[in-house]
Amino acid sequence: AQTVTQSQPEMSVQEAETVTLSCTYDTSESDYYLFWYKQPPSRQMILVIRQEAYKQQNATENRFSVNFQKAAKSFSLKISDSQLGDAAMYFCAYRSATGAGSYQLTFGKGTKLSVIP
Amino acid sequence: DAGVIQSPRHEVTEMGQEVTLRCKPISGHNSLFWYRQTMMRGLELLIYFNNNVPIDDSGMPEDRFSAKMPNASFSTLKIQPSEPRDSAVYFCASSFHLGAGSNNEQFFGPGTRLTVL
Repeated sequence: AQTVTQSQPEMSVQEAETVTLSCTYDTSESDYYLFWYKQPPSRQMILVIRQEAYKQQNATENRFSVNFQKAAKSFSLKISDSQLGDAAMYFCAYRSATGAGSYQLTFGKGTKLSVIP
Repeated sequence: DAGVIQSPRHEVTEMGQEVTLRCKPISGHNSLFWYRQTMMRGLELLIYFNNNVPIDDSGMPEDRFSAKMPNASFSTLKIQPSEPRDSAVYFCASSFHLGAGSNNEQFFGPGTRLTVL
């Protein structure tokens, strides 16, 4: 079974600065997807960014980018120019690209990000 | 599109009572997921349906939990009898599952916060 580990329960960043959230995962599969979800106080789960394992290029969405290291099974999220609205819980998630596992998301325990004005 | 709709948003009940949580997936989506979120265990997949058929209910904690999807636009998660340890936020998510290697992005509802006294 796949596992996702987020080793930083809480982090803080100064507004306008850059912060990196860590995520590692364990899998024996070669084809899969990785995700970062944001959960603000409203509880709504919002997809921030997605990475396909077969792609070597790191995904980028505006101020959000990832550092995907497949051999190391590492998938970190970098938030540049942090804004107050970025304050939230961030969840790393894994999904297989094959078979029955392709339906299921496996989540890490989350990292609570605070943004300091 | 209205997104995934869940009701109620908040539910407070007493131990032993029956609780029914409701979900309306995004129109056109063929897969539906029920998750439970707690501080201790994070986000856990309880059950998921594809084309209204339960595919994997291995995450359902006990026989007290049951889920149905009578049609493509409605699903329920029922707890009978409820216990204080069932207190959590329950999320419903839906996706259009094209196949194992496709995007299959899951869209989450706002969640139902359940408190069992």
